[in-house]
Amino acid sequence: GAVVSQHPSWVICKSGTSVKIECRSLDFQATTMFWYRQFPKQSLMLMATSNEGSKATYEQGVEKDKFLINHASLTLSTLTVTSAHPEDSSFYICSARGPLTSYNEQFFGPGTRLTVL
Amino acid sequence: AQSVAQPEDQVNVAEGNPLTVKCTYSVSGNPYLFWYVQYPNRGLQFLLKYITGDNLVKGSYGFEAEFNKSQTSFHLKKPSALVSDSALYFCAVKGDRDDKIIFGKGTRLHILP
Repeated sequence: GAVVSQHPSWVICKSGTSVKIECRSLDFQATTMFWYRQFPKQSLMLMATSNEGSKATYEQGVEKDKFLINHASLTLSTLTVTSAHPEDSSFYICSARGPLTSYNEQFFGPGTRLTVL
Repeated sequence: AQSVAQPEDQVNVAEGNPLTVKCTYSVSGNPYLFWYVQYPNRGLQFLLKYITGDNLVKGSYGFEAEFNKSQTSFHLKKPSALVSDSALYFCAVKGDRDDKIIFGKGTRLHILP
């Protein structure tokens, strides 16, 4: 149980285009989802926290107009990287928790590798 | 504020020897502690967690970790390392007064054949 998927697993796009990444909880309702970013050989940095039906809370230094997060349903959150540039290339990982999972745990997706040319 | 420290960027261990990957933490309130492993170009795989109860926690693939409240540590251990254990290991923490899980910088484990 508590499986989280991400789509796509990898994406290559041209500079200036927008890319949408989906995060789905497959077997539980995710009232809260988290988006992380991981640079090569570095740790996971929390970008934002989204609660279903409300606006995401962004961490300091993360541009909310560049990284649009939508959490419109209990099983889906999306991260849209707008006007992507090569410096946005990274590994993006989502995680989720819900009312039937422990508040103190998060379940992680497999990640999406974004490469911006 | 909560924080996690993994003091070693890299740990090298000969196959068959015991391994330890260190982690210390700082939180407000009671800690909830996690270890994850990441293989190249893959997501995180959950290894084990400490929520409450026995200080020695056993997890996947023969790994275990010991919660030490006085030293605020949660070191990952395995009695006999395998080459396939070579990967990037992350310690993570959440305080019971915090909303988010915070990750350490990661420790790269190299098991030498």
